[in-house]
Amino acid sequence: KAGVTQTPRYLIKTRGQQVTLSCSPISGHRSVSWYQQTPGQGLQFLFEYFSETQRNKGNFPGRFSGRQFSNSRSEMNVSTLELGDSALYLCASSWGRGPNTEAFFGQGTRLTVV
Amino acid sequence: GDSVTQMEGPVTLSEEAFLTINCTYTATGYPSLFWYVQYPGEGLQLLLKATKADDKGSNKGFEATYRKETTSFHLEKGSVQVSDSAVYFCALSLMGGFKTIFGAGTRLFVKA
Repeated sequence: KAGVTQTPRYLIKTRGQQVTLSCSPISGHRSVSWYQQTPGQGLQFLFEYFSETQRNKGNFPGRFSGRQFSNSRSEMNVSTLELGDSALYLCASSWGRGPNTEAFFGQGTRLTVV
Repeated sequence: GDSVTQMEGPVTLSEEAFLTINCTYTATGYPSLFWYVQYPGEGLQLLLKATKADDKGSNKGFEATYRKETTSFHLEKGSVQVSDSAVYFCALSLMGGFKTIFGAGTRLFVKA
């Protein structure tokens, strides 16, 4: 079956702009989580959605937001982009929220802010 | 808070050498433990996992044992290959895959 699909793969934006990233989870998966990966900070949890509701949020400013649709697809939005937002943004999906649930990751969207 | 600490890299080995990447964790509950691998330009792939004390996860020749007494989950492989060159992340999850806490990652280079 198809894996987690993230679009676009690469993106270049200017400071002050906003950006929307998309994630299509594996069919049947209802949980989608987002991570930011940077060389300096490593992998940091952004937020998680389950059944169209945000269930957990990491320690990021309000410029970072997201949503999930009824088909479990998720979008992440970053407004008023800063240079420090340049990163690889990874989406992961899982079928549920139990203690042993495995997360499947997409290939990521590489965002460069200039 | 919950955290994962893994050995800093890069680790450079010759082909067929023995690999150990240390990982220790701090968790308020009883976590599941994972090793993920990231190849250049790719997302993360689950390498192996263990969900309770003394469990051994294994895959592709890699192994790690969940040690509750030492709060550790060290990754080992008896004989590495050039194709194992990647970044390895140790991770824990207290409530499944929706909030996974990752270590900083260890880059492995394997020379032919």
